[in-house]
Amino acid sequence: SQQGEEDPQALSIQEGENATMNCSYKTSINNLQWYRQNSGRGLVHLILIRSNEREKHSGRLRVTLDTSKKSSSLLITASRAADTASYFCATDETSGSRLTFGEGTQLTVNP
Amino acid sequence: SAVISQKPSRDICQRGTSLTIQCQVDSQVTMMFWYRQQPGQSLTLIATANQGSEATYESGFVIDKFPISRPNLTFSTLTVSNMSPEDSSIYLCSVGTISYEQYFGPGTRLTVT
Repeated sequence: SQQGEEDPQALSIQEGENATMNCSYKTSINNLQWYRQNSGRGLVHLILIRSNEREKHSGRLRVTLDTSKKSSSLLITASRAADTASYFCATDETSGSRLTFGEGTQLTVNP
Repeated sequence: SAVISQKPSRDICQRGTSLTIQCQVDSQVTMMFWYRQQPGQSLTLIATANQGSEATYESGFVIDKFPISRPNLTFSTLTVSNMSPEDSSIYLCSVGTISYEQYFGPGTRLTVT
């Protein structure tokens, strides 16, 4: 069964705007990872945030983690058409172990 | 990070047949996993491929249907046996790293007719 939910399920924005996707999970975690998937291809690893971290940045990506609310958000700033993809969060309860995925958010960035 | 390749990238198979998917990593890794992604859905873990011992399967997945081999620390195979149209999915292998990041192969898109 899936760990939790992501919202929104689908998001459509204009190029240059920011995109925010949220992920909630149910159990205690050690790490949370975000992935991008283009058109049913393999997953591209974006960023990992540990349970003792609250915020992490990588280029145009900003990830936050609130373990008290069991939730995370992924912010993509200054979006581009090439950011159009599905975005998934995934958690592990033990570091390096199996991942449990959220349902994903389909992001469409219109040129 | 790790570079992961999968073969085949896609296949169309007839029901009742079996397909073996290969996963090759460019470095030795301890943890390897196999996931399934059904059309329009998220990823579900099938099993953890253990080197030198039997794979550890998740609830709902059994060895007779999805036998897995892991002969060494860089290679694993997943076989989808006695296929039915419900097995049409993308199958992905992944590896864990010492920094706990998990990287995925490009996936194998399977269509069963």
